[in-house]
Amino acid sequence: AQSVTQPDIHITVSEGASLELRCNYSYGATPYLFWYVQSPGQGLQLLLKYFSGDTLVQGIKGFEAEFKRSQSSFNLRKPSVHWSDAAEYFCAVESRPDAGNMLTFGGGTRLMVKP
Amino acid sequence: EAGVAQSPRYKIIEKRQSVAFWCNPISGHATLYWYQQILGQGPKLLIQFQNNGVVDDSQLPKDRFSAERLKGVDSTLKIQPAKLEDSAVYLCASSLGWVTNTEAFFGQGTRLTVV
Repeated sequence: AQSVTQPDIHITVSEGASLELRCNYSYGATPYLFWYVQSPGQGLQLLLKYFSGDTLVQGIKGFEAEFKRSQSSFNLRKPSVHWSDAAEYFCAVESRPDAGNMLTFGGGTRLMVKP
Repeated sequence: EAGVAQSPRYKIIEKRQSVAFWCNPISGHATLYWYQQILGQGPKLLIQFQNNGVVDDSQLPKDRFSAERLKGVDSTLKIQPAKLEDSAVYLCASSLGWVTNTEAFFGQGTRLTVV
């Protein structure tokens, strides 16, 4: 069965510092991968997605992620974090690409930004 | 474009009571999902509809949870009777469905507290 692991439950970075959030997946075929962000009291907003092709994917708000098949990873990065980036971040894999966008999520990483 | 609408935003009930949540997906989206997000965890899929048919409900606790999507548009999720462990945010999402390279869009969720 597919699964997603986000090893870091909490991460604190200083404003302006770089950020990397880790995501490892377990999936038998070529995965469809996603990163979502959730601000307090809000739903999930898609940051970026990987379906195929270029393994470095650009997203909204200055985020990017790199798909590494050999490491079963899809880490999220941002070169310079802003205070407004404080939120919870979820990595997800599409469980059945032949049947819609059924997603298996990781446990999330809560990002705190120090001024 | 209007997003996924959910109501109510918040609900507090006593255990053993019943509760219902409503979701209106993005216009034209054939696929609708209900996810349960327990505090501190990633969302977990409860049920997926394609139009008004169920694609997957393997993780829906059918002894107390039910969902329907009459006419293939709006959907309701019901819990009867509620237990303390049902306290969670219930997220509705929709997508175009049986199309590759698409994504799911999420509503803001309904926060349920069972006391």
